[in-house]
Amino acid sequence: DVVLTQTPPTLLATIGQSVSISCRSSQSLLHSNGNTYLNWLLQRTGQSPQPLIYLVSKLESGVPNRFSGSGSGTDFTLKISGVEAEDLGVYYCMQFTHYPPLTFGSGTKLEIK
Amino acid sequence: QVQLKESGPGLVQPSQTLSLTCTVSGFSLTSYHVSWVRQPPGKGLEWMGVIWTGGSTAYNSLLKSRLSISRDISKSQVFLKMNSLQTEDTATYYCARDEGGYWGQGVMVTVSS
Repeated sequence: DVVLTQTPPTLLATIGQSVSISCRSSQSLLHSNGNTYLNWLLQRTGQSPQPLIYLVSKLESGVPNRFSGSGSGTDFTLKISGVEAEDLGVYYCMQFTHYPPLTFGSGTKLEIK
Repeated sequence: QVQLKESGPGLVQPSQTLSLTCTVSGFSLTSYHVSWVRQPPGKGLEWMGVIWTGGSTAYNSLLKSRLSISRDISKSQVFLKMNSLQTEDTATYYCARDEGGYWGQGVMVTVSS
């Protein structure tokens, strides 16, 4: 199974600061069809996860453009350009290139100073 | 609009069987697949299994011997059954459409005598 390693586990940021979260895969997530099935989710406290980014860099409808995703192969990054208070929560990467099983990263908790 | 809602008992005794229902609306189970994902308290997300549009299933290898996912298309419901529950199965259980594009609110299940 594909293992996704997220770093850092915790991120402490001030409002307006830009932050990045890394997601590294144990094997390439490039599918034979040319797509890379790496998504990012945000889970706010007490809520269900919600999708942020799909196919590495495409923003889900309604997601602010301060969020961006990048990467290829085994290395991926979620960047928030100018953290806002509503961004706190736990961020997960997930892959379904090698599916089943669908696998998740261990999560990165974003806290606001 | 697309909605998923989990239902089931909040408390299950050890060694017993867990039965959960995911009732969906806004889409057909013959057009979109549905996964079950669980999250132990304070921990990350674990994919459990999926029922595809044609009715076939795939399971997490760690749970495969205990897990069954089925559906009733006419009722727009997906079912999860897992036997031989232990305290480690205490978690919030989510159903999700596709690969996490839409999530239910989750149902907390505690395994305890």
